[in-house]
Amino acid sequence: AQKVTQAQTEISVVEKEDVTLDCVYETRDTTYYLFWYKQPPSGELVFLIRRNSFDEQNEISGRYSWNFQKSTSSFNFTITASQVVDSAVYFCALSDFGGGGADGLTFGKGTHLIIQP
Amino acid sequence: EADIYQTPRYLVIGTGKKITLECSQTMGHDKMYWYQQDPGMELHLIHYSYGVNSTEKGDLSSESTVSRIRTEHFPLTLESARPSHTSQYLCASSESPTPNTGELFFGEGSRLTVL
Repeated sequence: AQKVTQAQTEISVVEKEDVTLDCVYETRDTTYYLFWYKQPPSGELVFLIRRNSFDEQNEISGRYSWNFQKSTSSFNFTITASQVVDSAVYFCALSDFGGGGADGLTFGKGTHLIIQP
Repeated sequence: EADIYQTPRYLVIGTGKKITLECSQTMGHDKMYWYQQDPGMELHLIHYSYGVNSTEKGDLSSESTVSRIRTEHFPLTLESARPSHTSQYLCASSESPTPNTGELFFGEGSRLTVL
């Protein structure tokens, strides 16, 4: 069965510091998709990125970057020069083709990121 | 900006009451989901639907029920609320085929407190 582990429950940094959120996943499939979502205090989850298992290229979007490594089953998320507005709960999620589980995404437990001014 | 709406945003009710959480989306998505988010932040899939007249139970057993009479509407009902049902409930929709290869669009959630 698929599983997503976000070992960091809470991270607190001072504004402008770089911060990396870890995500480790488990799946038996060779084809799968990984996601990161942001949940601000308002409650809704906001989609940040999707990667498929065949694309290991790292991606950068502004201050955000993602490091996908199949060898370690990790999909880590780095925020460079963090800002107070980055404060939120961040979820890593997995979708694969098997496992017999229900449709939908399997989410990690989330990492609460606190950016202090 | 996602066009998926949940009402009520906040609800405080007494034990034994029947409640319905509403979820509507205007994107024409066939697939819709309900996630329960506990105070520890973890998200659990409790119901999903592939389209009209389709409802399936998710990974986490729930005493709630859902219906899908119209594409845009996916309400969740608790016949007799209990304090253990206190949680945040998040509705989502997707246009992607099975399994999910695309983005899930989420509503802002309904925070339910049962006294």
